Order: sequence, then structure tokens, then C-alpha cells
Amino acid sequence: QPVLTQSSSASASLGSSVKVTCTLSSGHSSYIIAWHQQQPGKAPRYLMKLEGSGSYNKGSGVPDRFSGSSSGADRYLTISNLQSEDEADYYCETWDSNTRVFGGGTKLTVL
Amino acid sequence: EVQLLESGGGSVQPGGSLRLSCAASGFTFSSSAMSWVRQGPGKGLEWVSAISGSGGSTYYADSVKGRFTISRDNSKKTLYLHMNSLRAEDTAVYYCAKLAGATGYWGQGTLVTVSS
Repeated sequence: QPVLTQSSSASASLGSSVKVTCTLSSGHSSYIIAWHQQQPGKAPRYLMKLEGSGSYNKGSGVPDRFSGSSSGADRYLTISNLQSEDEADYYCETWDSNTRVFGGGTKLTVL
Repeated sequence: EVQLLESGGGSVQPGGSLRLSCAASGFTFSSSAMSWVRQGPGKGLEWVSAISGSGGSTYYADSVKGRFTISRDNSKKTLYLHMNSLRAEDTAVYYCAKLAGATGYWGQGTLVTVSS
């Protein structure tokens, strides 16, 4: 089954851009993933589905500041014009025939 | 508007049982695969179980296989998670989620505490 690897933390300044990375394990580089956001004390929120081609499909109400891209086994979530409310944990997720897997999450701090 | 509303959480002793429910609205429930995902205190998200839209196929994480049972009642638009032989490590917030398909949705979660 696939394994997703994320950096545990990231930080960027208010108004700047940040790219969060999720890496698929060997043999799974073509997998589609999803990105989810979890603000402190809240339930997760679906952000987007992201294909290996870099094509992505965002959920309802997700701001234009959020975008996705891909390179090989790496899947990226880019947040532009960072706002204070973007400070959150970001999880990538993928699935196989009979299982779903989450990455360990990246804690984003907005400076 | 899509809504997923979990209920049934609470405190239970080790070895005990609990049944979680998730009432769905705002989308075609019967054609949607559904999942349960949990989050232990201070931990990340852990997928627990999933069920196909018809209910004919079910899937479990190794950590809960043989102890938890996922089911659904499409006439009531409700998803269930029956949890038996609960352990301290099952303590978590349990989320109902629609993860498969074109877009995803999460419920607000229900807390399960397993402690003597």
C-alpha cells in the first residue's frame, strides 16, 4: 500500500507564499492525492484532489489562493498571499483498492 | 449544503462497546462511499474504515479489523461504526467523511474516550 511522507512543519510570512510537499512512496508515483486543512480545534476541511499531471479540482469555497502541482512522486500545495487563518495542519491523503492513507501532516505557521 | 453529523461518542471502559452514527444530507448518500477517520489526542489523522455506496463492500485498517464494523442504512441516510473490545488506544475524535468521488466532506467529529 502507498505511504505518504510530509515535512512536520513549515513557516512563512503573512502575505507571502508557501509550498507544502507530500511525497508518494516508490511504485506509487502516479497516484492521485487529496489535500485537507485542519485549523486549530476544528474538523478537517477538504481542499482539493491533485493528479500526477498537476491537474487539480478544488472543493467548494476553497479560496483561489490555494493551488496544487505535481512533479514525479511529489505533490504540492501552494498557498499564496498567506493569511493568518491559513495557520493550520495540512494533510495529504491517497487510496488504494481497499485502504486509504494519510500523511503525517505539516503544521504551517504564519509569521 | 452537505452536512455530516456524528453522534454516539462518550466514555467507555476498556473492553466495552459503542456505536457511532453519522447522519448525512445534501448529497446522494446511497451512491457515495463513506469513511470513518479518527484522530487521537495530539496526533494526525488515521483512516479507520470505509464502505461502498451499496454497503456491499467494507474495508478496515489493521488496527481495528475484527473489532469494528462499519455499516449503513441508505433509507435513513445514516452511516454507523460499531466498536467492540475497545482499548485505550482507540481514544480519539472520530470523523465521518465522504472522501471518495469528485469532492470531499467532513463531519464535525465525536469524541470517544476509553478509560477505566
